Amino acid sequence: SQQGEEDPQALSIQEGENATMNCSYKTSINNLQWYRQNSGRGLVHLILIRSNEREKHSGRLRVTLDTSKKSSSLLITASRAADTASYFCATDDNNDMRFGAGTRLTVKP
Amino acid sequence: EAQVTQNPRYLITVTGKKLTVTCSQNMNHEYMSWYRQDPGLGLRQIYYSMNVEVTDKGDVPEGYKVSRKEKRNFPLILESPSPNQTSLYFCASSFKGGQFPYEQYFGPGTRLTVT
Repeated sequence: SQQGEEDPQALSIQEGENATMNCSYKTSINNLQWYRQNSGRGLVHLILIRSNEREKHSGRLRVTLDTSKKSSSLLITASRAADTASYFCATDDNNDMRFGAGTRLTVKP
Repeated sequence: EAQVTQNPRYLITVTGKKLTVTCSQNMNHEYMSWYRQDPGLGLRQIYYSMNVEVTDKGDVPEGYKVSRKEKRNFPLILESPSPNQTSLYFCASSFKGGQFPYEQYFGPGTRLTVT
């Protein structure tokens, strides 16, 4: 069964705008990770946030985690056409890794 | 170069013909895992391994087998493939931080079609 569920399923924005994607999950977690996937290719790890952290930054990425609401958000600032991809959140249920169905982001030049 | 390799990248086979998809990593990772990706369902974990000779079922293990005889290799075996196993398969590996997997490195994927 899926643990994380991303919202929205698809997002289309103009280059330079910010993109926000949300992830909700069901059970308690040790950490939450965000991954990116270009069409048909392997996933690439973006950022990991631990359950005792509330916010984390990496370059143009900002991730928040609210364990009371069982939700996380990924913000990509000043988006570029090259950010066009699918984004997935993943949670660990003990050692099972659970991925959501992903958000398809399209950044128009 | 640190990487996870999978072979083959593409495979078309017939129902019932046993096949193996190989996965190898050169990063000395303890944790390895297999996923399948289907449209609208995201990635679902098939099996994972915390270390050599230690494997566990994920969410969708039916119809699959794995083995972990060496740290670097984690082959996925379909003893009798069926059309519902047509999918895109990914192998991944990571260090194990304490009890839990850290960021995973993914292979390029294997697109399997079972007719």
